Amino acid sequence: GAGVSQSPSNKVTEKGKDVELRCDPISGHTALYWYRQRLGQGLEFLIYFQGNSAPDKSGLPSDRFSAERTGESVSTLTIQRTQQEDSAVYLCASSLARTGTPWTEAFFGQGTRLTVV
Amino acid sequence: AQSVAQPEDQVNVAEGNPLTVKCTYSVSGNPYLFWYVQYPNRGLQFLLKYITGDNLVKGSYGFEAEFNKSQTSFHLKKPSALVSDSALYFCAVRLHSGNTPLVFGKGTRLSVIA
Repeated sequence: GAGVSQSPSNKVTEKGKDVELRCDPISGHTALYWYRQRLGQGLEFLIYFQGNSAPDKSGLPSDRFSAERTGESVSTLTIQRTQQEDSAVYLCASSLARTGTPWTEAFFGQGTRLTVV
Repeated sequence: AQSVAQPEDQVNVAEGNPLTVKCTYSVSGNPYLFWYVQYPNRGLQFLLKYITGDNLVKGSYGFEAEFNKSQTSFHLKKPSALVSDSALYFCAVRLHSGNTPLVFGKGTRLSVIA
């Protein structure tokens, strides 16, 4: 597609349930990022995929969070046993950045607004 | 590790006046620096970036930013603010080398008052 697509746009879930958030990056983009933005807060880095390299998971807040990416395509962020503090907008971004071209900018999706009740 | 600081949570400026949104960075190598803007209920949009060369970078919507290596700063500027510039602005940094993620500051909310 023309841009980064995220689904669902909104998700309301009960505390303790698992959720899956999906990100379709721009075709051909090798780098993919997940960020979390709590209400009124900045962007919190979660995880970064770059081509076939091992993902940088250093931002994942707990072992309830995990993410996968199929090749250089779709990524899913999974949150197990959701807690109320997981409520936030989850943003996905992709870029053409490679090891040799880290200056390319990232393009963001509209985000998934997760509400845990 | 790389990090970005945006020391002001909020910046207020009158329409027509110049604006500055501050950003300082900390990296163990040479940085690539970016500014993004987030309008209400919209996704983040890229404004401009510094790669190398001229320290003054021009971007979208009349914005520019000045890279200052000695002060490790990359402040965003605009000569004459518009009410429509009111938004949340994020500074970000990425290292030249290695597979490192794009790291963002906490954001600065800009309010331009008519």
